[in-house]
Amino acid sequence: QVQLQESGPGLVKPSETLSLTCTVSGGSISSYYWSWIRQPPGKRLEWIGYIYYSGSTNYNPSLKSRVTMSVDTSKNQFSLKLSSVTAADTAVYYCARAAVVVIGDFYFDYWGQGTLVTVSS
Amino acid sequence: SYELTQPPSVSVSPGQTARITCSGDALPKKYAYWYQQKSGQAPVLVIYEDSKRPSGIPERFSGSSSGTMATLTISGAQVEDEADYYCYSTDSSGNHAVFGGGTQLTVL
Repeated sequence: QVQLQESGPGLVKPSETLSLTCTVSGGSISSYYWSWIRQPPGKRLEWIGYIYYSGSTNYNPSLKSRVTMSVDTSKNQFSLKLSSVTAADTAVYYCARAAVVVIGDFYFDYWGQGTLVTVSS
Repeated sequence: SYELTQPPSVSVSPGQTARITCSGDALPKKYAYWYQQKSGQAPVLVIYEDSKRPSGIPERFSGSSSGTMATLTISGAQVEDEADYYCYSTDSSGNHAVFGGGTQLTVL
């Protein structure tokens, strides 16, 4: 059974960079796409982007200018960096595995429990 | 940007059938997926590829899609089915993921 666990600071100051890591256990990070999804309090889920185990990425156009994802196959981990954060970036951040049905069709079959990141001075 | 539209809330009595809709222009060519999210928990996939049910999901959950609308049906809804339900799909380019606004299901 694949399990994912997010880790990182729960409090980030405005204008700084949010950094989170997702550790994958119970399976290899290779041959899959890995995603970050967030949910502001009381709001809908928002896809941030995904990274393939090889390092290729695809980001949500609305966040693209501030997002960087990376992967470390030796540690079975992938990471998210979101720069220049504001209070609007306060959310529960989830990492998830993206299952590809066909090219251009993917969904999320395994999720982490989520971690709340608050942006505040 | 692409959007998926859901009703904000649906309410049924226990044992009744609940139907939650999701509309999107790309749905004729893209699969719809449905996630259940209970308070304080991560989303759980209940329907994938329009109508398939993952192992462990009760048979009362079913899905369908026709034209620009996908529907999640819970036949004989139970109190434990109270949750927010999100539809999900990709845009017409297939490059970007989109979630609907979520529907709060009340069973009482």
